[in-house]
Amino acid sequence: DIVMTQSPDSLAVSLGERASINCKSSQSVLYSSNNKNYLAWYQQKPGQPPKALIYWASTRESGVPDRFSASGSGTDFTLTISSLQAEDVAVYYCQQYYSSPGFTFGPGTKVDIK
Amino acid sequence: QVQLVESGGGVVQPGRSLRLSCAASGFTFSSYGMHWVRQAPGKGLEWVAVISNDGSNKYYADSVKGRFTISRDNSKNTLYLQMNSLRPEDTAMYYCARVSVEWELLHYFDYWGQGTLVTVSS
Repeated sequence: DIVMTQSPDSLAVSLGERASINCKSSQSVLYSSNNKNYLAWYQQKPGQPPKALIYWASTRESGVPDRFSASGSGTDFTLTISSLQAEDVAVYYCQQYYSSPGFTFGPGTKVDIK
Repeated sequence: QVQLVESGGGVVQPGRSLRLSCAASGFTFSSYGMHWVRQAPGKGLEWVAVISNDGSNKYYADSVKGRFTISRDNSKNTLYLQMNSLRPEDTAMYYCARVSVEWELLHYFDYWGQGTLVTVSS
């Protein structure tokens, strides 16, 4: 199974500042036949289910603010919040959907306000 | 609008069984694969199982293989998770989630239910 890791475990950022989260997969999630990275990012606020933010490693889900961006390929990925807002306080998870079964999630990164 | 509503959670003794349901509405249920994902209290997300749109393909996490069974009734727009031989470590919020693309499985999860809590304790 593909193992997903994330760093840092948590971070605190001042309002309006940038927050970056890293995600690494134990093997490549880039499918060569279509050149797509099977990697998604989710946001989970306290007491709520996860919400999809990003898919194909860098495509924003409809309605997601453009302060959220993501990049990476193969095994290394990054989610960036360009200007942190109070409503962005949450736990963020990366997930690979390259292999079935699997669909493994990273352990999560908690983002707080400094 | 897409809605997924889980039910069936509760407190159950170790070794007993429980069946969860996920009622879907707002989309053509029979066209989409569906997942179960769980989250132990204060912990991260763990994928549990997936079923294809027609029920012909099912896959499980190693942690539940042989104990849990995913199924669906497309005539009732409902997804199920039959959980047998429950263990304390199965205690979690259980979410159902939809695959984002019709007919396929290798895609992200675009809609999630609010979850149903399962507590395994004597």
